[in-house]
Amino acid sequence: DAGVIQSPRHEVTEMGQEVTLRCKPISGHNSLFWYRQTMMRGLELLIYFNNNVPIDDSGMPEDRFSAKMPNASFSTLKIQPSEPRDSAVYFCASSLQLGRNTEAFFGQGTRLTVV
Amino acid sequence: DQQVKQNSPSLSVQEGRISILNCDYTNSMFDYFLWYKKYPAEGPTFLISISSIKDKNEDGRFTVFLNKSAKHLSLHIVPSQPGDSAVYFCAASASRNSGYALNFGKGTSLLVTP
Repeated sequence: DAGVIQSPRHEVTEMGQEVTLRCKPISGHNSLFWYRQTMMRGLELLIYFNNNVPIDDSGMPEDRFSAKMPNASFSTLKIQPSEPRDSAVYFCASSLQLGRNTEAFFGQGTRLTVV
Repeated sequence: DQQVKQNSPSLSVQEGRISILNCDYTNSMFDYFLWYKKYPAEGPTFLISISSIKDKNEDGRFTVFLNKSAKHLSLHIVPSQPGDSAVYFCAASASRNSGYALNFGKGTSLLVTP
């Protein structure tokens, strides 16, 4: 399996522009997570999907952030409008949850720079 | 509010010696704990885990210890190798809350010197 695939790897955009980050989870996994990594806050959970349904979006910082999972093999995280403080590395992770705790597998991340 | 805390941002150890990375948590509902390793420009990779019903789990050179009463866990690497140099993240989840989403510490950067 190719693992969790994120695109793009790097994104540089101007303040005010819309940014869309993409994620393809591992085939067969039923849970998907979006995390953001910054120096100040470390790895923060933004939103969590189970069977394509958003379960917990309490980590989404503002209404400017939205996430969708239209099917089991694709998810997007959108920032509109983007701001310089959104600059961070965004990770997508997936796992197979079958009623017990398991580890999550991470993609390589998207480094977002908003200028 | 940081529920998982790694109070040492960095650690330097000589090759062949033991590396001990520490982690504290505040949420008593956490029942599963993991360590991840992260190299620059890569995503975190799973290293080892432990359930709250155990107090020790060993996998080769890596051992995780859990002290539930102290809400503390540690990762021991013996012997340490230069290839172990990376950022190590402690994570925890509570199966009754938010499914199995992982809460991470800020990480400890380990440097193993030859």
